Amino acid sequence: DAGITQSPRYKITETGRQVTLMCHQTWSHSYMFWYRQDLGHGLRLIYYSAAADITDKGEVPDGYVVSRSKTENFPLTLESATRSQTSVYFCASRQGRGEKLFFGSGTQLSVL
Amino acid sequence: TQLLEQSPQFLSIQEGENLTVYCNSSSVFSSLQWYRQEPGEGPVLLVTVVTGGEVKKLKRLTFQFGDARKDSSLHITAAQPGDTGLYLCAGVEVNQFYFGTGTSLTVIP
Repeated sequence: DAGITQSPRYKITETGRQVTLMCHQTWSHSYMFWYRQDLGHGLRLIYYSAAADITDKGEVPDGYVVSRSKTENFPLTLESATRSQTSVYFCASRQGRGEKLFFGSGTQLSVL
Repeated sequence: TQLLEQSPQFLSIQEGENLTVYCNSSSVFSSLQWYRQEPGEGPVLLVTVVTGGEVKKLKRLTFQFGDARKDSSLHITAAQPGDTGLYLCAGVEVNQFYFGTGTSLTVIP
């Protein structure tokens, strides 16, 4: 039961570089989500996907790009990283509406 | 943006004490969930409350959903060091989960 895995666990990059965070789930859940967690802000939704090839913006989508060509993968790309994107990023999935979210262990990203 | 505020933001107590944390919103949600997050890990669901006025118990944890479905509370009886973590509430509406800012709990042995 692998569940939901994120990679890398830690990433340091420089301003202006492109960075891709990976998320893979083994349950075939329909819905997948990307959140960022910052002190004082809790978890904020970046993008979500209801199924393969269906994605939609969340609360803080600017500067991020997502794709979902396969149900099990939901990568998040920072096209040109900025210091304000230093954060802990969590991927999550769920099967149906209103059901609980299953979270990965997170990616700690530092943009220098 | 639907905002959920949690209080207190930080809480440090001795083992064996009781505590209550609160989650308040100006919006009505179809359900509300509580998660616990340990350092270096993602949040894990503790409970879902759906009906206004609903009370659910999970061992020493008691969760209550407000009558108007805008607020919730989590009460822990006789806290233990294993209860240490970040407690997050999340209002659920259709496809969206709106998370609160969290309460960081430390239980000192």
